[in-house]
Amino acid sequence: QSALTQPASVSGSPGQSITISCTGTSSDVGSYNLVSWYQQHPGKAPKLMIYEVHKRPSGVSDRFSGSKSDNTASLTISGLQAEDEADYYCCSYAGSNTLVFGGGTKLTVL
Amino acid sequence: QVQLQESGPGLVKPSQTLSLTCTVSGGSISSGGYYWSWIRQHPGKGLEWIGYIFYSGDTYYNPSLKSRLTISVDTSKNQFSLKLTSVTAADTAVYYCTRGGTYFFDYWGQGALVTVSS
Repeated sequence: QSALTQPASVSGSPGQSITISCTGTSSDVGSYNLVSWYQQHPGKAPKLMIYEVHKRPSGVSDRFSGSKSDNTASLTISGLQAEDEADYYCCSYAGSNTLVFGGGTKLTVL
Repeated sequence: QVQLQESGPGLVKPSQTLSLTCTVSGGSISSGGYYWSWIRQHPGKGLEWIGYIFYSGDTYYNPSLKSRLTISVDTSKNQFSLKLTSVTAADTAVYYCTRGGTYFFDYWGQGALVTVSS
């Protein structure tokens, strides 16, 4: 059970759109529509932003969207805002009642 | 609004057992439909899923920790707990308890830092 692969960092200017990728295998991301994404500000607990690939919990801005193609899931943030600067983690069901996280991506808003 | 709060020793000696309890308020563990997880984050690192338990007591563990791990639930106290045996410095982390839906985590505790050191 290896961690999902995310870019270490991404950056964008306010108003722009960015996409964070999350690459797994045919045993996890590729086999299940059970990818979730979490936002974590420094010193805080993670917050659920997307679940089941593309669903947004109540209260999460529609600037956040999720998708998946083959073994790679993606989180897109449109209309980037300063408050979006945070670490982002993907997570996928990996079969046999286990889950695996990505290594995390640091988003910098320039 | 569901709230979760971790509690337990912040310092554990090497080779001893790390024990944490998560107290749930604003909702009942027994109500079903959710699973209750532990997740940890090593200092400056990413998240690691530890395991989860249903109110029925069914448990599922990260294979890499399974041999040292026990997660249990006390529905009468609306709590669930984590025990990790034979700890080393590599188990130093912030430990989060969470509520989960269909393999996602929608409510998180604030986290509890546990340091393994003599």
